[in-house]
Amino acid sequence: RKEVEQDPGPFNVPEGATVAFNCTYSNSASQSFFWYRQDCRKEPKLLMSVYSSGNEDGRFTAQLNRASQYISLLIRDSKLSDSATYLCVVNQGSARQLTFGSGTQLTVLP
Amino acid sequence: ETGVTQTPRHLVMGMTNKKSLKCEQHLGHNAMYWYKQSAKKPLELMFVYNFKEQTENNSVPSRFSPECPNSSHLFLHLHTLQPEDSALYLCASSPGSGANVLTFGAGSRLTVL
Repeated sequence: RKEVEQDPGPFNVPEGATVAFNCTYSNSASQSFFWYRQDCRKEPKLLMSVYSSGNEDGRFTAQLNRASQYISLLIRDSKLSDSATYLCVVNQGSARQLTFGSGTQLTVLP
Repeated sequence: ETGVTQTPRHLVMGMTNKKSLKCEQHLGHNAMYWYKQSAKKPLELMFVYNFKEQTENNSVPSRFSPECPNSSHLFLHLHTLQPEDSALYLCASSPGSGANVLTFGAGSRLTVL
């Protein structure tokens, strides 16, 4: 079983749609969780952290379910500029233990 | 310059060549990292340096040789590489090795012929 597993997609959605990505992780000792965004041929950049109680940043909502070892990212009212690969990242205690998922590719269509 | 800068952005080399990748960070961070990103695969951690001391070598073949002369600079020396080493090599930094969030450079795309 992969340590961090994501649906690779691609997800092709029209502008304005709501889209959700899921991620599961295998290590129950994982402590911190993040979503990174990687544009085509660019470097990964932090999108948002994921907190136990769930958190929202504008159109983006992240949720964590520790019991099921599951993380999600919801994007509402999607924009063309949201097109990217979204990486689920799990931290087991220090940056050298960051484990990345393979990413979910999103294309928002006009 | 700001952030994390990597050079060269693109590199093509033969299996017998020797080349180096360079990374420089202007963020005042103390930890620096090398990651490998192959198509459709997760980022793979290669090396970690904290206060210019290597703290992690993730079973990387010896044909990859890192060097960290100070907390702002990181090199990856390459020699006798294989075609399967072709990938995007990403440098990252963080305030310390215990930090949660990494700032990545734009990467060096390597092709080994």
